[in-house]
Amino acid sequence: QKEVEQNSGPLSVPEGAIASLNCTYSDRVSQSFFWYRQYSGKSPELIMSIYSNGDKEDGRFTAQLNKASQYVSLLIRDSQPSDSATYLCAVNSKGGGSQGNLIFGKGTKLSVKP
Amino acid sequence: DADVTQTPRNRITKTGKRIMLECSQTKGHDRMYWYRQDPGLGLRLIYYSFDVKDINKGEISDGYSVSRQAQAKFSLSLESAIPNQTALYFCATSLDDNEQFFGPGTRLTVL
Repeated sequence: QKEVEQNSGPLSVPEGAIASLNCTYSDRVSQSFFWYRQYSGKSPELIMSIYSNGDKEDGRFTAQLNKASQYVSLLIRDSQPSDSATYLCAVNSKGGGSQGNLIFGKGTKLSVKP
Repeated sequence: DADVTQTPRNRITKTGKRIMLECSQTKGHDRMYWYRQDPGLGLRLIYYSFDVKDINKGEISDGYSVSRQAQAKFSLSLESAIPNQTALYFCATSLDDNEQFFGPGTRLTVL
């Protein structure tokens, strides 16, 4: 069973701090990795995708991927109260009958305190 | 303009009733998905379709059925609703194996 693991939180950080969200995955052949943000009662919104080892930056967000350690993270710099949401990690997992569908973690709830 | 729409947005029904949730998209994607989300359980895949002639069961298909009427339309049916099908239901689309784009969701309550 392919799995994507996230700490459920809540992760609480003060406004202006760096929030660090982590995700591990079980399938070594996974090739594509995504971070979604989901506000309470709303739909998941894609905020970052990463396909190769290293860092990818987009504004205040940085995704980090380490395939050898099967680890992907999301850093949010200068955290704002509007960043308070649940962050879902998703991994594309080919093979084993999954047909390349995304496998989602259960999400980490982030709370940014003013 | 919303790229992925779902109707209804909220629905309250009674045990044993048949209901249909509908999803439409204007993104031109071939792949469409139905998920349910429950507190503490995350997103779980119910059914998915890679094109009009392709329907596949997901992780939790029991009690559900789907119909892919066109590239742009994918409907989810609960033949006989039961209370543990109370959840938030999302439709999603994708171009390929990568990013999926979600509709706004349907909040379903089965009494």
